Amino acid sequence: TQLLEQSPQFLSIQEGENLTVYCNSSSVFSSLQWYRQEPGEGPVLLVTVVTGGEVKKLKRLTFQFGDARKDSSLHITAAQPGDTGLYLCAGNEAWLSGANNLFFGTGTRLTVIP
Amino acid sequence: ETGVTQTPRHLVMGMTNKKSLKCEQHLGHNAMYWYKQSAKKPLELMFVYSLEERVENNSVPSRFSPECPNSSHLFLHLHTLQPEDSALYLCASSQDLRQGSIVKNEQFFGPGTRLTVL
Repeated sequence: TQLLEQSPQFLSIQEGENLTVYCNSSSVFSSLQWYRQEPGEGPVLLVTVVTGGEVKKLKRLTFQFGDARKDSSLHITAAQPGDTGLYLCAGNEAWLSGANNLFFGTGTRLTVIP
Repeated sequence: ETGVTQTPRHLVMGMTNKKSLKCEQHLGHNAMYWYKQSAKKPLELMFVYSLEERVENNSVPSRFSPECPNSSHLFLHLHTLQPEDSALYLCASSQDLRQGSIVKNEQFFGPGTRLTVL
């Protein structure tokens, strides 16, 4: 079973600060996804990274896929209270049978204090 | 966005009850998933259906029984559950690999059913 470890597990910061969340694994994935989940809701897909070394930006969020496709980071610039939530990384393992399998990380719970 | 819907949103049941969770997707996807999310644990994949055939069953206890009558609907039938089964049950869908991109297959989640077993 692939294991993705995220760090930190909990993060509480002031509005306007920058932060980085890490997702690490010993396994190689065909792609990696980041989700954000708010209380009482399902995870919402933020981004998918596919190529080793790839960097994607989504407004104040910057996602990077490691060169070896085993790890990823999420950097948030000037955090806002609306960024509060549980951030999950998920490594994609594509099956020959059809559906893909996502291995989810342990999660980082972010709280941005106004 | 109401691409994937789940009902009920909340469910309280006794250990001897029988209930069913329902999931419906409106995204034209061909693969559907059930996940269990417990506190302090990563999301656990329970069942996968691709083109209405069960592809994966990750050693889930038989008190959980999935049903996929068509590519838009997925059920999870529950009976004689235990208190440790209390969790958020999430449904997701994705485009089947055989019809789309292999690498960038993305799953879209419903809001979940918060289940409490007394």
